Amino acid sequence: GAVVSQHPSRVICKSGTSVKIECRSLDFQATTMFWYRQFPKQSLMLMATSNEGSKATYEQGVEKDKFLINHASLTLSTLTVTSAHPEDSSFYICSARVSRNTDTQYFGPGTRLTVL
Amino acid sequence: AQSVTQLDSHVSVSEGTPVLLRCNYSSSYSPSLFWYVQHPNKGLQLLLKYTSAATLVKGINGFEAEFKKSETSFHLTKPSAHMSDAAEYFCVVSADEGGADGLTFGKGTHLIIQP
Repeated sequence: GAVVSQHPSRVICKSGTSVKIECRSLDFQATTMFWYRQFPKQSLMLMATSNEGSKATYEQGVEKDKFLINHASLTLSTLTVTSAHPEDSSFYICSARVSRNTDTQYFGPGTRLTVL
Repeated sequence: AQSVTQLDSHVSVSEGTPVLLRCNYSSSYSPSLFWYVQHPNKGLQLLLKYTSAATLVKGINGFEAEFKKSETSFHLTKPSAHMSDAAEYFCVVSADEGGADGLTFGKGTHLIIQP
């Protein structure tokens, strides 16, 4: 089956620093990648949708200047949390879709971000 | 707009007994519906999906779900629970008419299997 990886799996950073999370599709090309956020004991919330070579589309309430998304190739998307604060601590999960004609998404294992 | 309600935050069953995880949805369009499972410290795995074909959908590991439009429900069932089924289960609806964009997740149901 399709495999999506995320790096790092866990990261701890100081308040005010920036953190980059990578999402890679290992054995397929992903035209679209999605970024989700999961608060403790809560559901996943879609943050943004990124299509290779174009700007990401952010969901309402998500600050695009704080959560920078780059989808530079068909196998890599990055999420950068800029000037992180403790309230940004969360579990971030990416997913990838092969093409617009399918609604099946393959999920990465997630990245646990802790901001001190 | 669409939303998903998982009616139980926790479900506990004995090994070998049936499992029922309840899900209700609302959607402006004919929805695509999914069930995902998340085992501890692992990523999400697709169990099954409904996309306007047969209303009874069979998935992996013996799970199945029935789409009932009149009840706006998509409950997940399994005839006989196994210890390895212990996990978090998410009911999910597609975010647009084409069913091909971001997903809206329910809050999850934690399934506990008693020996």
